[in-house]
Amino acid sequence: GAVVSQHPSWVICKSGTSVKIECRSLDFQATTMFWYRQFPKQSLMLMATSNEGSKATYEQGVEKDKFLINHASLTLSTLTVTSAHPEDSSFYICSAPGTLVYEQYFGPGTRLTVT
Amino acid sequence: GQSLEQPSEVTAVEGAIVQINCTYQTSGFYGLSWYQQHDGGAPTFLSYNALDGLEETGRFSSFLSRSDSYGYLLLQELQMKDSASYFCAVSDDKIIFGKGTRLHILP
Repeated sequence: GAVVSQHPSWVICKSGTSVKIECRSLDFQATTMFWYRQFPKQSLMLMATSNEGSKATYEQGVEKDKFLINHASLTLSTLTVTSAHPEDSSFYICSAPGTLVYEQYFGPGTRLTVT
Repeated sequence: GQSLEQPSEVTAVEGAIVQINCTYQTSGFYGLSWYQQHDGGAPTFLSYNALDGLEETGRFSSFLSRSDSYGYLLLQELQMKDSASYFCAVSDDKIIFGKGTRLHILP
């Protein structure tokens, strides 16, 4: 089946620094990828839709200058959290759609802790 | 806008049956999905309903009524490993998740 990987699986950074999270589709091409954020005991909140070769589409309330998304190839999307603050500490998950409308292949997630 | 409502927590006994309900309001709708998520893990797909009726996959079944904007996930023969959060989600041009139901299973 389709596999999506994320790297790193967890990261700790200091407040004010930037962190890059990679999302890769390992055995298929993904022109679109989705980025979610999940706080403890809460739902997955869609942050943005990453489109290969074009600008990402951000959900309402998500700062595009803070969460930079790049989808430079058909197998890689990156999310960069710029000038991270403790309130950005969260679980970040990416997904790529399959051929069927309901199919979503999720990465294993990245746990970000900002100190 | 889009919203999905489901109970925040449900408790059941090992071996029993539990139903998790979901109501939704969406501007577009292709179908209702259910996902399971264990603590610290990514969501895993359980089922999908595009049409009204019941879909059965092993111990799990899912139901949809489009006219009522309502669906449910039915888990039978509960096992301790079923302790997790369960999310309903609507598919449009993207997938939007409900707030999740935390299922506690008592031995």
